[in-house]
Amino acid sequence: DAGITQSPRHKVTETGTPVTLRCHQTENHRYMYWYRQDPGHGLRLIHYSYGVKDTDKGEVSDGYSVSRSKTEDFLLTLESATSSQTSVYFCAISDPQTSGEQFFGPGTRLTVL
Amino acid sequence: DQQVKQNSPSLSVQEGRISILNCDYTNSMFDYFLWYKKYPAEGPTFLISISSIKDKNEDGRFTVFLNKSAKHLSLHIVPSQPGDSAVYFCAASAHNNDMRFGAGTRLTVKP
Repeated sequence: DAGITQSPRHKVTETGTPVTLRCHQTENHRYMYWYRQDPGHGLRLIHYSYGVKDTDKGEVSDGYSVSRSKTEDFLLTLESATSSQTSVYFCAISDPQTSGEQFFGPGTRLTVL
Repeated sequence: DQQVKQNSPSLSVQEGRISILNCDYTNSMFDYFLWYKKYPAEGPTFLISISSIKDKNEDGRFTVFLNKSAKHLSLHIVPSQPGDSAVYFCAASAHNNDMRFGAGTRLTVKP
């Protein structure tokens, strides 16, 4: 398995509170991604990063921000959580120079009450 | 706008038989296609991929077929095993790192 960890693995929070999810990799891959998985939608890209301090929006970026200050860490922040952001969040990494596959972390289950 | 569609939410097959999972896409710019397998409470794991310059790629019991004119790909698993029971996601990208996923098909292989 690629060395990808996510923290926390589970979180319950209340509407309006800020939440930060962390993704950490030990593979030195350049690209990192945040997805959310919801029934009937599969995985949808929120934001991705193509290098330190280089990020771009994905398909469902509204309400989310990201930061990447080090190669190994990619943070996803919900500034003011809403119930519609209840989901399972997956981090992924890839190295496009070697292959097109993305390797996924174990996921974070977030519940916003 | 779902650019990648898996129209069968679930599929049940008998152990030893063939499993065929289907996927359709709408974006003609997609040139790389992948299948991922996901067990409960785990992240998706890469299974097999195919480039648009090919129409078939095989890896052991898994074969992916691509029909570009129909914008359709399929994953064949033969013989199916109970351990193959999982959710399978089809994905496609245009090499711009914007990978689009289908909604998934839950495969159940009965002993």
